[in-house]
Amino acid sequence: NAGVMQNPRHLVRRRGQEARLRCSPMKGHSHVYWYRQLPEEGLKFMVYLQKENIIDESGMPKERFSAEFPKEGPSILRIQQVVRGDSAAYFCASSPDQGRPLHFGNGTRLTVT
Amino acid sequence: DQQVKQNSPSLSVQEGRISILNCDYTNSMFDYFLWYKKYPAEGPTFLISISSIKDKNEDGRFTVFLNKSAKHLSLHIVPSQPGDSAVYFCAASARDFGNEKLTFGTGTRLTIIP
Repeated sequence: NAGVMQNPRHLVRRRGQEARLRCSPMKGHSHVYWYRQLPEEGLKFMVYLQKENIIDESGMPKERFSAEFPKEGPSILRIQQVVRGDSAAYFCASSPDQGRPLHFGNGTRLTVT
Repeated sequence: DQQVKQNSPSLSVQEGRISILNCDYTNSMFDYFLWYKKYPAEGPTFLISISSIKDKNEDGRFTVFLNKSAKHLSLHIVPSQPGDSAVYFCAASARDFGNEKLTFGTGTRLTIIP
């Protein structure tokens, strides 16, 4: 897990604030995936990005959530105007070109108060 | 629509015995199956995988079996060790132009009893 770096590990936000979660993929990996795990549930796919491109955002909520993976720097998952239901663990995973399996980071645990 | 199902939320096994974790899927397009292990406050760690062209894959103490006709896979751990206590997730993917997004089951919490 050390290869995929996520920060912060824990994030506390009040309702209505913005949350920004960062993910640096493993060296040499150009594909990034974001997943969300609600309490007592499995991981749910949110979005798949390559550098500067969103490839599949079929799992993203339609409002308040956005993701990017710029040419330089980490991938960012942004949640605007957070609500209590956004409290969850958010995991990032990366893979090389045409590569399996996905390797996950240790996640960011978001708590909305 | 739960496409990957792990029907046993928990399993307890004596140390040294075999642990068998089960997983069922419904999507016929899945062609790659994986098991991940997860400790509290950590991310999932890849354990073992199997392609749909195989029915068995082995790596040390871990063996995954795939029964495509039954849409069922299982993970065998033998012998079980205390460090194996964790939540195990079954996952599947259908390769789609390089998109490797995974569909996860809800997990089975394995407890190895010393």
